[in-house]
Amino acid sequence: AQKITQTQPGMFVQEKEAVTLDCTYDTSDPSYGLFWYKQPSSGEMIFLIYQGSYDQQNATEGRYSLNFQKARKSANLVISASQLGDSAMYFCAIFQGAQKLVFGQGTRLTINP
Amino acid sequence: EPEVTQTPSHQVTQMGQEVILRCVPISNHLYFYWYRQILGQKVEFLVSFYNNEISEKSEIFDDQFSVERPDGSNFTLKIRSTKLEDSAMYFCASSDLSSGGALPTDTQYFGPGTRLTVL
Repeated sequence: AQKITQTQPGMFVQEKEAVTLDCTYDTSDPSYGLFWYKQPSSGEMIFLIYQGSYDQQNATEGRYSLNFQKARKSANLVISASQLGDSAMYFCAIFQGAQKLVFGQGTRLTINP
Repeated sequence: EPEVTQTPSHQVTQMGQEVILRCVPISNHLYFYWYRQILGQKVEFLVSFYNNEISEKSEIFDDQFSVERPDGSNFTLKIRSTKLEDSAMYFCASSDLSSGGALPTDTQYFGPGTRLTVL
C-alpha cells in the first residue's frame, strides 16, 4: 500500500524567505501521482501542485515548485518568497490504486513578519 | 473558475440522528469522492463513486454510510445514525479522470467542507 511521510509537524519561516516542506513516499507502483494541498485556518483544501511519476521535469506553479527525486522517493514542496498568507497546513498526498488519495500527517507552516 | 460546492458549511446534530451532506461537483467531472478529517488529524478517504456506483470504499465507510447522485448535479453523503465519533470535517472532491495518478487530470478538487458536530 502507498504511504506518505511528512516529518516536519511545524515550520517557522521569516516572510520573503524560501521554505521547503518535506515529503517522502512509499509505493511499489511504477505509475503514480503526487499532490500538494494547502489547508488554511478556514479549513478548505486547496490544490497547489501535481507531479506525475513519469514527468521528466519538476513541476512548477507560480511560487510553488516540487523538488521531485524519484530514486529517493521524495517530493518536497518549495515555496519561494514566502508571504504571510502562506501560513497554513500543507498536505502531501499520493494516489493509491485508481481511486483514492492517501495523505500525510501534514506540516503546519507559520510565516513570521 | 469552476469549483466544488458543499452545503451546509456546518451541521450540528444529536447522536442517533440522520444527516445528509450535499455536494455539487465540478460540472464536467466524472469521479466523485468523500473524505473526512477529524479535528487535528490527516484527511482520510471514505468512498469513491463513478458511473452511478461505488468504486471503492474504506473500512470507515460502514453500513451507516451511503452515497447517492440523485440528479445530474448533486452528490450526497448520508449518515443514518450518527455517533459522537462521526464529528469531523467532511470533504467532497471531484476529478475529471481516475487513472492511478499518472495524469494531471487525475487531480481531485475539494469543496470547502462541511463541519459535522454530533452531540
